[in-house]
Amino acid sequence: EPEVTQTPSHQVTQMGQEVILRCVPISNHLYFYWYRQILGQKVEFLVSFYNNEISEKSEIFDDQFSVERPDGSNFTLKIRSTKLEDSAMYFCASTPVGQGAGYTFGSGTRLTVV
Amino acid sequence: GENVEQHPSTLSVQEGDSAVIKCTYSDSASNYFPWYKQELGKRPQLIIDIRSNVGEKKDQRIAVTLNKTAKHFSLHITETQPEDSAVYFCAARPNNAGNMLTFGGGTRLMVKP
Repeated sequence: EPEVTQTPSHQVTQMGQEVILRCVPISNHLYFYWYRQILGQKVEFLVSFYNNEISEKSEIFDDQFSVERPDGSNFTLKIRSTKLEDSAMYFCASTPVGQGAGYTFGSGTRLTVV
Repeated sequence: GENVEQHPSTLSVQEGDSAVIKCTYSDSASNYFPWYKQELGKRPQLIIDIRSNVGEKKDQRIAVTLNKTAKHFSLHITETQPEDSAVYFCAARPNNAGNMLTFGGGTRLMVKP
């Protein structure tokens, strides 16, 4: 079964540093997403991406965040200057179409900001 | 925006009993309602979903019901087994261009053998 792949599985970074989280969505999927989950809390939407541009973003997704699809296969989330409160599990997801169905989550990147 | 409330936050049942988890949503235009199971340290995995044009859907021991008028939907697990123990999240998809999901707060289900 096709999978969404995320790297790294765990990243530790100093506060104020930039991090890039990487995702390879399922190859025939058209919509890509980033969600985050602070430990013990619910999954929160960050951003959706379609046709090489942001479709929607939440209020969490401020100027410190950016997304990119640099080469047609990877989908990245960049956090420019990390804060302690950015520590969370970040999940990438993709869907084939924009009807909600078929959401496939990656295994996540645990980001720890120290 | 959409707001999804989920209850209870924890649920403990004996093996073989049924478990019911309930969610309410605020946006009447939401049209897709998935349920995810998340084991500790793992990704959320879709277990069942329902669209707004359907009132009930069943898949073996799990079923989901949707009441559009009351804006609530429920997950029913029958004949629970210890391996059903996990955190369950409901979600709703608002009718917008972003195709985002809004998640409920989660229910930690513990099935005691």
